[in-house]
Amino acid sequence: AQSVTQLGSHVSVSEGALVLLRCNYSSSVPPYLFWYVQYPNQGLQLLLKYTSAATLVKGINGFEAEFKKSETSFHLTKPSAHMSDAAEYFCAVSSNQAGTALIFGKGTTLSVSS
Amino acid sequence: GAVVSQHPSRVICKSGTSVKIECRSLDFQATTMFWYRQFPKQSLMLMATSNEGSKATYEQGVEKDKFLINHASLTLSTLTVTSAHPEDSSFYICSARVLETSGSTDTQYFGPGTRLTVL
Repeated sequence: AQSVTQLGSHVSVSEGALVLLRCNYSSSVPPYLFWYVQYPNQGLQLLLKYTSAATLVKGINGFEAEFKKSETSFHLTKPSAHMSDAAEYFCAVSSNQAGTALIFGKGTTLSVSS
Repeated sequence: GAVVSQHPSRVICKSGTSVKIECRSLDFQATTMFWYRQFPKQSLMLMATSNEGSKATYEQGVEKDKFLINHASLTLSTLTVTSAHPEDSSFYICSARVLETSGSTDTQYFGPGTRLTVL
């Protein structure tokens, strides 16, 4: 069984500040991990994904995430927040088995103030 | 990147009517599509897994006779909400699974969602 826990349903930062969104996973098999972003009334856009090739994954819009097996974590970071980063962020896990759906965390709302 | 479209983007219907939502993969073939439901300020909940040419697999608690899923081709899956009621009002999102050519991972690409409001 797999699950994802996102710590903090709401994170607020100032423009230019570091963004850190936390995600911990539980998986009985090697996990494949994803971060998605959702803007209001829109679908989900893939930010980045971990596929076991490299533990530090770089994504779009300056985001990156580091897979730490010992901590069962896959936290999302960005060095400097922009106003346009304000959105809902979802961490998800997959076992990569054929037909397996993504298991999502509950999401974290990121607010960016000027 | 892979593009998934949904139609309509927004629909309002009367209670008791049926509504069909289409999900299309525009530039790739998807043997598997997923349908999710999202309540306000909540995460996505998987409703069903749709495989081309076969019956959909529904998650526990999802009424298969109420949420009819058809995956007739490799680029189209439809979700029909039958006899809709106000409690069916929600944001419905589909995704299409792409197995990377290396076979080492799969990625889901999401449609923009359909906002259903049942009066």
